[in-house]
Amino acid sequence: NAGVMQNPRHLVRRRGQEARLRCSPMKGHSHVYWYRQLPEEGLKFMVYLQKENIIDESGMPKERFSAEFPKEGPSILRIQQVVRGDSAAYFCASSPDSSGNEQFFGPGTRLTVL
Amino acid sequence: DAKTTQPTSMDCAEGRAANLPCNHSTISGNEYVYWYRQIHSQGPQYIIHGLKNNETNEMASLIITEDRKSSTLILPHATLRDTAVYYCIVRVATYSGYALNFGKGTSLLVTP
Repeated sequence: NAGVMQNPRHLVRRRGQEARLRCSPMKGHSHVYWYRQLPEEGLKFMVYLQKENIIDESGMPKERFSAEFPKEGPSILRIQQVVRGDSAAYFCASSPDSSGNEQFFGPGTRLTVL
Repeated sequence: DAKTTQPTSMDCAEGRAANLPCNHSTISGNEYVYWYRQIHSQGPQYIIHGLKNNETNEMASLIITEDRKSSTLILPHATLRDTAVYYCIVRVATYSGYALNFGKGTSLLVTP
């Protein structure tokens, strides 16, 4: 059973470009969480999604950031018009149920904005 | 969710028990204690969680004080691969899949 997969592992963008980060949850998991980790900081929650629904986006910046988890395919975290402050590691986690007691994390995508 | 306090860093000799403390004096009755760890540059890894009884699994033991204001994660025989940042997280385990709020954790260094 493959773990949580994220791609790309490294992404470089110039200021103003768009970044698309993908997350494929573990097989059988329909609950996905996105977290951001700035350098030397702990992970910060961004958004929690179930298939086709955003359940909690209280940690998402109000502008430029969006997330989706379609019926088919991976979850996507989209950052429009990236700025240098968006440079961070973005982690996705999945869980088999809505308790979120044990979240399985992917290896992360490291975004660098030039 | 209640706030947690952990030491910034700790050392442990390989083969010895690593005891990582966590203070959560404002924990409420329906909040659980979770432990995750993050090995350098990797995604966090779930270790264990508990409410009020002590818990043990293949990775670690979790000891929660009777008043639940603090807890200790015990790695019984630390290895070099246990070097990581360990996060103590307190949250309500409701069936709404809420987020984990990671603080800065304890950086554990296991030495030969």
